[in-house]
Amino acid sequence: GAVVSQHPSRVICKSGTSVKIECRSLDFQATTMFWYRQFPKQSLMLMATSNEGSKATYEQGVEKDKFLINHASLTLSTLTVTSAHPEDSSFYICSARRDRDGNQPQHFGDGTRLSIL
Amino acid sequence: SQQGEEDPQALSIQEGENATMNCSYKTSINNLQWYRQNSGRGLVHLILIRSNEREKHSGRLRVTLDTSKKSSSLLITASRAADTASYFCATVLPLNAGNMLTFGGGTRLMVKP
Repeated sequence: GAVVSQHPSRVICKSGTSVKIECRSLDFQATTMFWYRQFPKQSLMLMATSNEGSKATYEQGVEKDKFLINHASLTLSTLTVTSAHPEDSSFYICSARRDRDGNQPQHFGDGTRLSIL
Repeated sequence: SQQGEEDPQALSIQEGENATMNCSYKTSINNLQWYRQNSGRGLVHLILIRSNEREKHSGRLRVTLDTSKKSSSLLITASRAADTASYFCATVLPLNAGNMLTFGGGTRLMVKP
């Protein structure tokens, strides 16, 4: 199977802290990785798409200076929530895909629950 | 706005019964995918059906796709308590029109033992 590891699974920190979340594809090369945000009992909202070696493409309304995405290798993408505030508290999920075209399924990490006090 | 809308939003059935979830979408697609999410966890891919396919099976799962009606259904037969989860459909637009997944609102399924 295709395994995606997301770390950490839970973060509790003070307002103003920057938090880094890692997403790794363990047994395949991920050409494309995605970051989602999910509010309770709601669907996933795509935040950004990142292709290895190029800048991330952010969805409308997502602040790129607030949510820094780095996809430095074919197996690792990171999301850094800079100067986090309580309104940034949410469930963040990454996913990875082998191709760029969308003909392959996405494989998801187990999510990171971020709580900003 | 969401590409897919799912129906029903919530479904409660007894173990052993079949569960049917429907998904409607708005524009032409390259493929449609179904995912499952257990509470507080990531999503697990279930089935991918391409726009030129009409039906796919995987174990107790059966997915249909009707591109003329822009709709899909997921059938879980002989449900088990362990099937309790949220189920999402997601679409991928045709090539060169965006290749990310766009998720529907999901159906929360509860299977009572």
